[in-house]
Amino acid sequence: GENVEQHPSTLSVQEGDSAVIKCTYSDSASNYFPWYKQELGKGPQLIIDIRSNVGEKKDQRIAVTLNKTAKHFSLHITETQPEDSAVYFCAATWGGYQKVTFGTGTKLQVIP
Amino acid sequence: SAVISQKPSRDICQRGTSLTIQCQVDSQVTMMFWYRQQPGQSLTLIATANQGSEATYESGFVIDKFPISRPNLTFSTLTVSNMSPEDSSIYLCSVEGGQSSTDTQYFGPGTRLTVL
Repeated sequence: GENVEQHPSTLSVQEGDSAVIKCTYSDSASNYFPWYKQELGKGPQLIIDIRSNVGEKKDQRIAVTLNKTAKHFSLHITETQPEDSAVYFCAATWGGYQKVTFGTGTKLQVIP
Repeated sequence: SAVISQKPSRDICQRGTSLTIQCQVDSQVTMMFWYRQQPGQSLTLIATANQGSEATYESGFVIDKFPISRPNLTFSTLTVSNMSPEDSSIYLCSVEGGQSSTDTQYFGPGTRLTVL
């Protein structure tokens, strides 16, 4: 089965700075990589995703990059704001089925 | 994306009792999923529920402990049976994105369960 590692587990940045979260996966058959944001007391919310035929995707202040050769993908948040503070989960979908393996999560704190 | 609601949003239960969690979706979906998120941890898939068939359970989860119903394409329930303090977790349902995005899963707000 798939194994997804995520780093760092915690990340503190000053407001306005950038934040980068990195994930690696083990199964080369994985072809879809979503990122979720989970605020305290809420369910995970999809914020961006990328497929294996794309190297980079951007949505306003959020971008995701994928390196299939190295089997890693990253989330980049620019101009961070206090409302970006949350736990972020990366994930990888494998096996041609709607099963998702999640990373261990990164707690991001944006300091005003 | 689908709008998903769960009931109850939270509960405190005594050990040995059972709790049934409801998940309602605002559109018809083929597949629904139930996850457990232990405190400070990631998400672990409990089972996949398809309408009209028995749920498929992941390794480490059994039907006697987590019976699931899926009576129609918009509703599912998960029961946590004979609870112990180790069952204290957030329980989340999710659904597939639909024909336009079958890889994507969308999550409900979760049910926060505390077992005393």
